[in-house]
Amino acid sequence: RKEVEQDPGPFNVPEGATVAFNCTYSNSASQSFFWYRQDCRKEPKLLMSVYSSGNEDGRFTAQLNRASQYISLLIRDSKLSDSATYLCVVTDSTGNQFYFGTGTSLTVIP
Amino acid sequence: DTGVSQDPRHKITKRGQNVTFRCDPISEHNRLYWYRQTLGQGPEFLTYFQNEAQLEKSRLLSDRFSAERPKGSFSTLEIQRTEQGDSAMYLCASSPGGHLYEQYFGPGTRLTVT
Repeated sequence: RKEVEQDPGPFNVPEGATVAFNCTYSNSASQSFFWYRQDCRKEPKLLMSVYSSGNEDGRFTAQLNRASQYISLLIRDSKLSDSATYLCVVTDSTGNQFYFGTGTSLTVIP
Repeated sequence: DTGVSQDPRHKITKRGQNVTFRCDPISEHNRLYWYRQTLGQGPEFLTYFQNEAQLEKSRLLSDRFSAERPKGSFSTLEIQRTEQGDSAMYLCASSPGGHLYEQYFGPGTRLTVT
């Protein structure tokens, strides 16, 4: 079983739409959680950490559900510049080893 | 630009040759990671250093792969006797360590084995 599973999409949404991505993880002892963004042929860049209480950064909201072992990312008022692949990342119980999902592809359409 | 640099950015080699990649992390970061990424997949963990100590290595990592971080600063990843299946993007990431786990990636080295 993979450590992290994501729906690869693609998600094609119009500008201004709200879109949500989910990700599940297999290790209940995982310590830390992140969402990374990766543009085509570029390196992944940290979008936001995910905290147990949920957290928001502008148009982006991340949620963690430890009981069900899933993480979500909500993007409100989508912009063309949000088009990218969004990677769900989970660490092991020590926080030392990182597991990346396959990524969810988002295209925001004018 | 995250401050992590990798060299070379592209490498084309023939099957059976050895290749070496270099990563220079953000200077105050004591953790350094190597990943491999193929098309349509997320980065796959290869190995991890805390300062100069290599603390973890993926079970999937062939003996042909070796990594070093001799002075706890830059790191090298060597692949011996390359195979076509080694063609991928090799990414390096650094992290401050402690309770700060966020990783900052370099631009990667794209390896093509012909």
